[in-house]
Order: sequence, then C-alpha cells, then structure tokens
Amino acid sequence: EVQLVESGGGLVQPGGSLRLSCAASGFTFSSYDMHWVRQATGKGLEWVSAIGTAGDTYYPGSVKGRFTISRENAKNSLYLQMNSLRAEDTAVYYCARTKTSSTGEFDYWGQGTLVTVSS
Amino acid sequence: AIRMTQSPSSLSASTGDRVTITCRASQGISSYLAWYQQKPGKAPKLLIYAASTLQSGVPSRFSGSGSGTDFTLTISCLQSEDFATYYCQQYYSYPLSFGGGTKVEIK
Repeated sequence: EVQLVESGGGLVQPGGSLRLSCAASGFTFSSYDMHWVRQATGKGLEWVSAIGTAGDTYYPGSVKGRFTISRENAKNSLYLQMNSLRAEDTAVYYCARTKTSSTGEFDYWGQGTLVTVSS
Repeated sequence: AIRMTQSPSSLSASTGDRVTITCRASQGISSYLAWYQQKPGKAPKLLIYAASTLQSGVPSRFSGSGSGTDFTLTISCLQSEDFATYYCQQYYSYPLSFGGGTKVEIK
C-alpha cells in the first residue's frame, strides 16, 4: 500500500525557517517524481515544488529562492526546506507522487502538515 | 505561467442530478489535465487524468472531456458522497497550476 506521511509542520515567526519531511512507503520511491502542494485554510490548491528522479527541481515564482526541495532515496524521504517564511506561506503542505515519471498528475497524497507563520 | 479558470465556483444540486464543471486554460495544454475531488479536512483524490481517463477505482459516473484549452468534468448521476470541492490541474508545463475549485453543495 502506498503511503506518504508528512511531518515537521508547526508555528514559526515571519522570516524564520522550517524543514518539512515526507516519508514514503509501498512503492519504489526513487522511480517517481515527487511534489509539494499547499493549501491555505479555505483556499484552493497551490503547487509549491517538484523534484524529478534525476534530482532536477522546479518552483513557482512565489517560493523560488526561498524554498528548496530535496530527496534522499536511500531513506525513501522527501524534504522541503523553507526559509524567509512569510505570513502568506501559512497553509497545509501536502507531499504528492506523480502517477508516472514523465507526467504531473498526482495519484497519491499525504495527509498534510500545517505550517503557521505568525508572530 | 498557465492560468486555469474553473466555473462555476459553486453550485447547488440534488442527488441524481447531472452536474458539469468547466475548466479553461489560458493557453493550449493538449490533454495534460487532471481532475481532483476534495472533501473537508482530507487530501485531494485523483479522479481523471489525461483529460478523460478514469483513475482506477473511481466510479464510472465521473467522466472528463476536452483538449487544448477547454475541458469539462461531468458527474452523470450525483450521489451523496459526491458533495465536495473539485479542482482541475494542468501538467503541460511548469509551473504546474490548479483551477480555483468548484464546490458542489446540496440543494
């Protein structure tokens, strides 16, 4: 059974940093592109970052230069390092797996971890 | 960046109704479109990918169509468990993007 379990969320002050983790199981982690998607309370979904099987990374303009996605295949783990956090980064952060290695539809999602940026 | 626009943003319907949600891309995305269902407090669930391919385990009352810039999600006979928010997503190019969502409520 495919499982994705996020951790590392919490309360952080504006300008602070946080590192999210996503533990994957039930599939060959190294063979799949992985993503982070976030959702502010009562709002829609926003794609945050992606990492390919070769380690290539992608970000939208809203987080580029502040967030860094990485993976550790030996540990079946995905990470999101978030620096210079802003109030607008407050959201539930989901890790998600793409259905195939060459497309971007998400067939499995974690349960999410809440990040709150507030003083 | 490709902008995805869904309509309507919300709708009220009754069990048994046929429901159609539309999604428009700001530029052509071929068939690189997915639809998701999300219930409160839960992660999204993939319903349809490649614009019209039903994800395994998803009831056949869900269907998708379209290509290029205009897409639709149809629920042929609304069931009680279908009341939720639906999102489209393009994966034609980075940055990936979602529509604003359509909340399907009970009339």
